[in-house]
Amino acid sequence: GAVVSQHPSRVICKSGTSVKIECRSLDFQATTMFWYRQFPKQSLMLMATSNEGSKATYEQGVEKDKFLINHASLTLSTLTVTSAHPEDSSFYICSAGPGARETQYFGPGTRLLVL
Amino acid sequence: DAKTTQPTSMDCAEGRAANLPCNHSTISGNEYVYWYRQIHSQGPQYIIHGLKNNETNEMASLIITEDRKSSTLILPHATLRDTAVYYCIVRVRGTASKLTFGTGTRLQVTL
Repeated sequence: GAVVSQHPSRVICKSGTSVKIECRSLDFQATTMFWYRQFPKQSLMLMATSNEGSKATYEQGVEKDKFLINHASLTLSTLTVTSAHPEDSSFYICSAGPGARETQYFGPGTRLLVL
Repeated sequence: DAKTTQPTSMDCAEGRAANLPCNHSTISGNEYVYWYRQIHSQGPQYIIHGLKNNETNEMASLIITEDRKSSTLILPHATLRDTAVYYCIVRVRGTASKLTFGTGTRLQVTL
């Protein structure tokens, strides 16, 4: 149990376009999901906390208008990178946890390359 | 969340036990110790967590000192597939409680 999926696993897009990444909890419901970003040879950096039914909470330095988060249901959160630029190229990872156990489980990640 | 300190890298021979230390001297009474690992180009994988008692599961054992200021993750029989970056994180309970990743320990398992 406690499986988190992400789609797509890899995406290449042109500069200026928007990209949507989905994070799903497959066998549990999650009122809270987290989005992380990881640059090469660096650790994971928390970007934002996605809250079902309410606005996301962004970490300091993360542009909320650039990284749109929608937590539409108890099993789905989406991250949209708007007007992507090459510096947004990174590995994006989400996490979620079943309420009763509270341990966070991570998705496999989405590698974004902006040309 | 409390800060953790881990060695940058470690080597371990295949079949031997891998002992990964973590210092968390400022841990609070309500903070748990979590261990995750990240194999190259994958999302982090949950390994184990504990509050103050030693814990064991099918993947590893977690030894927490009595004063809770440090812990050790033990992989009893390391294999090449255990090569990864291992992260020790302290965190309060709750699904809204975020994980703050440090730099972790890069474990290289060799033949």
